[in-house]
Amino acid sequence: GAVVSQHPSWVICKSGTSVKIECRSLDFQATTMFWYRQFPKQSLMLMATSNEGSKATYEQGVEKDKFLINHASLTLSTLTVTSAHPEDSSFYICSAREMAGTRNAETQYFGPGTRLLVL
Amino acid sequence: AQSVAQPEDQVNVAEGNPLTVKCTYSVSGNPYLFWYVQYPNRGLQFLLKYITGDNLVKGSYGFEAEFNKSQTSFHLKKPSALVSDSALYFCAVRDSFGNEKLTFGTGTRLTIIP
Repeated sequence: GAVVSQHPSWVICKSGTSVKIECRSLDFQATTMFWYRQFPKQSLMLMATSNEGSKATYEQGVEKDKFLINHASLTLSTLTVTSAHPEDSSFYICSAREMAGTRNAETQYFGPGTRLLVL
Repeated sequence: AQSVAQPEDQVNVAEGNPLTVKCTYSVSGNPYLFWYVQYPNRGLQFLLKYITGDNLVKGSYGFEAEFNKSQTSFHLKKPSALVSDSALYFCAVRDSFGNEKLTFGTGTRLTIIP
């Protein structure tokens, strides 16, 4: 149980294009999803917290207009990197937690990650 | 502010020997503590958590961790290491007040030597 998928697993794009990454909770409903970025040999950096049906909460220093987050349903959140540039190249990981009141509501379950390379 | 320290960047253990990966934390109030494992080019896999109750928590793949409130530690342990345990391990903490943000340590690379 508690499986989270991400699509695509890797993407290469040209500078200036936009890339959409999907995060799905496959066997549970997730009112809250999180988007992280991981640089090589470093820990995870939280970018934003996404709540179903409301606007995402971005961490300080993360550009809202560049990293668009949509959480339209209890099983799907999307991250769109707009006008991507080489410095946006990174490993993006999402996580999801079950609805409050469920047995594992405190636990974040992570997707397999999406590696983005912007040329 | 909450924080996690993993004092060892790298831990090497011979196969079959016990292993320990260290973690200390700082948080307001009671902590929620987690261990995750990451294999190359993959996301994080949940291993175990401490929320409340017994200080010794058992998790996946034979791992366990002991919550020590006085030492603010949550070390990950396994009695007998396998080569397949070689990976990057992250400790994480959040508070129990409803702040959902997880704070991660910098990670410890565990290498099991055959």
